[in-house]
Amino acid sequence: QKEVEQNSGPLSVPEGAIASLNCTYSDRGSQSFFWYRQYSGKSPELIMSIYSNGDKEDGRFTAQLNKASQYVSLLIRDSQPSDSATYLCAVNPSGTYKYIFGTGTRLKVLA
Amino acid sequence: NAGVTQTPKFRILKIGQSMTLQCTQDMNHNYMYWYRQDPGMGLKLIYYSVGAGITDKGEVPNGYNVSRSTTEDFPLRLELAAPSQTSVYFCASSRPGQGVSEAFFGQGTRLTVV
Repeated sequence: QKEVEQNSGPLSVPEGAIASLNCTYSDRGSQSFFWYRQYSGKSPELIMSIYSNGDKEDGRFTAQLNKASQYVSLLIRDSQPSDSATYLCAVNPSGTYKYIFGTGTRLKVLA
Repeated sequence: NAGVTQTPKFRILKIGQSMTLQCTQDMNHNYMYWYRQDPGMGLKLIYYSVGAGITDKGEVPNGYNVSRSTTEDFPLRLELAAPSQTSVYFCASSRPGQGVSEAFFGQGTRLTVV
């Protein structure tokens, strides 16, 4: 079982819709969770971080964490063509500050 | 404040050659990391360091070496380049325990081994 798993996509949504991106992780003791956005040919940039169960909202982005189910998600409301990118889920496994990444989900927002 | 700076941006190596990818950060971060990213894939951790003089292996360390003599610098050494090392390499840094513990990334080095 991979440490961090994501559906590679592509996930296609129409402009203005909600995009839902999902990530599961294997280390039950993981404490910190991150969503990065990566445009083609560019470096990853942080979108959201979440540390506690529940929802965390920042503008059009909402991160959701469920530690019991070992599941973290990212919702993007009112999706824009500029949101088209690859979204990487990252986790700090228990007891470390390494960042273990999933393979990423490619999102396409159709105008 | 430049953040994380990597050099070079692009490099072509011949099989068997060696090179050092440079990484420096000016954010006084104690943690530094090297990742590689193959096409269509996520980031794989090569090596990381929790401070000057301390390094540890990540998920894919074979064929690479690192050193950390200062807080700012974390070079990655390829001794005998192989085609399998063709990839984009990212250096990152973080300062855990300061509230937000995100990793900040450099702009990447695109390496081709022929």
